[in-house]
Amino acid sequence: GAGVSQTPSNKVTEKGKYVELRCDPISGHTALYWYRQSLGQGPEFLIYFQGTGAADDSGLPNDRFFAVRPEGSVSTLKIQRTERGDSAVYLCASSEDGSSYEQYFGPGTRLTVT
Amino acid sequence: KQEVTQIPAALSVPEGENLVLNCSFTDSAIYNLQWFRQDPGKGLTSLLLIQSSQREQTSGRLNASLDKSSGRSTLYIAASQPGDSATYLCAVRPGGFKTIFGAGTRLFVKA
Repeated sequence: GAGVSQTPSNKVTEKGKYVELRCDPISGHTALYWYRQSLGQGPEFLIYFQGTGAADDSGLPNDRFFAVRPEGSVSTLKIQRTERGDSAVYLCASSEDGSSYEQYFGPGTRLTVT
Repeated sequence: KQEVTQIPAALSVPEGENLVLNCSFTDSAIYNLQWFRQDPGKGLTSLLLIQSSQREQTSGRLNASLDKSSGRSTLYIAASQPGDSATYLCAVRPGGFKTIFGAGTRLFVKA
């Protein structure tokens, strides 16, 4: 079956602009995660959704970052007033539920803020 | 605060060699531990998931062990192949929903 997909694969934007990154999880997976990965580092947790609700958003770095999952499937990560320090690969993962199951990752969106 | 460390940071071995990658974590109260593989410019591929009640998991040439009390996990790769070249990441779930990753071990297997 289809895996986790993310669009766009690459996004270049100017400092101060607004961007949206999209994640389509595996069908039927109720848990969805967003991570950010900088060069040479492991992924850093941003936010976790169980169904439509954000069960843990403690990893969001500041209030410029926001994520939604209105129908419990597709999720959008939104970044306002982008800064050069936001440049990274943004990864999405899904799992059957939020407890004991494996996380399956998408290919990521590489965001470059110029 | 849970921290995950992976040693070595990089490793180069000749084809056919057996090798061990190490992962250590500071808080033994974890829910599970997962090993991933990441190819350059790609997302993560799950290799093995070990629940807190388990001691090891095996898949093909891969074997992962977990020693919660000492805060350690190892990933053993048997008969390494050039196609095994990638970055290997260890991740722990301390409870709740966060997953904490190590920085990874970059493996290069020479033909």
